[in-house]
Amino acid sequence: TQLLEQSPQFLSIQEGENLTVYCNSSSVFSSLQWYRQEPGEGPVLLVTVVTGGEVKKLKRLTFQFGDARKDSSLHITAAQPGDTGLYLCAGARGGATNKLIFGTGTLLAVQP
Amino acid sequence: DTAVSQTPKYLVTQMGNDKSIKCEQNLGHDTMYWYKQDSKKFLKIMFSYNNKELIINETVPNRFSPKSPDKAHLNLHINSLELGDSAVYFCASSPITLGRDGYTFGSGTRLTVV
Repeated sequence: TQLLEQSPQFLSIQEGENLTVYCNSSSVFSSLQWYRQEPGEGPVLLVTVVTGGEVKKLKRLTFQFGDARKDSSLHITAAQPGDTGLYLCAGARGGATNKLIFGTGTLLAVQP
Repeated sequence: DTAVSQTPKYLVTQMGNDKSIKCEQNLGHDTMYWYKQDSKKFLKIMFSYNNKELIINETVPNRFSPKSPDKAHLNLHINSLELGDSAVYFCASSPITLGRDGYTFGSGTRLTVV
């Protein structure tokens, strides 16, 4: 089983704080994606990282793919209440199936 | 105009019943999926179709049968519902080559079996 473990599982912080979410696996992935899911909705794609060591920035969110393409991190600077949600990493092994293996999830609550 | 729409949004039914969930995408994607999200929010793939052809069939009970009449539709029929089938079921679609594109998910169907 290609398990993607996320940590922390839950995170409750005050507005303005910084945080980092980790996504770790023993398997190599051809690409890794991050999604955010809000209550009652499906996950929405935030970013895809493809190259080992790749860093992508999306406003206050910074995503990094590990050099060995087995892990990833998401850093949020100056968190806002609108960042609240379930963050999911998902790894793709490539090939014909397009199958994504989803991580265990990190539930973030940003208090005003 | 919703990209991936699934119906119904909520489904409450008794054990032993048969029910269907419908999914449609208007993105022109070739690949569609069904995922199950459990009470701990873990998303697990069930099925994947490429242009109406079954590509992925994970270890899902035979009571679950997907059907893709065309590449824009992927329905899920569940026979003899059990308590353990209670979950949120998500339909998703993607291009045939994922690349930097991700999945586009529907808003989910919350199935409660009583």
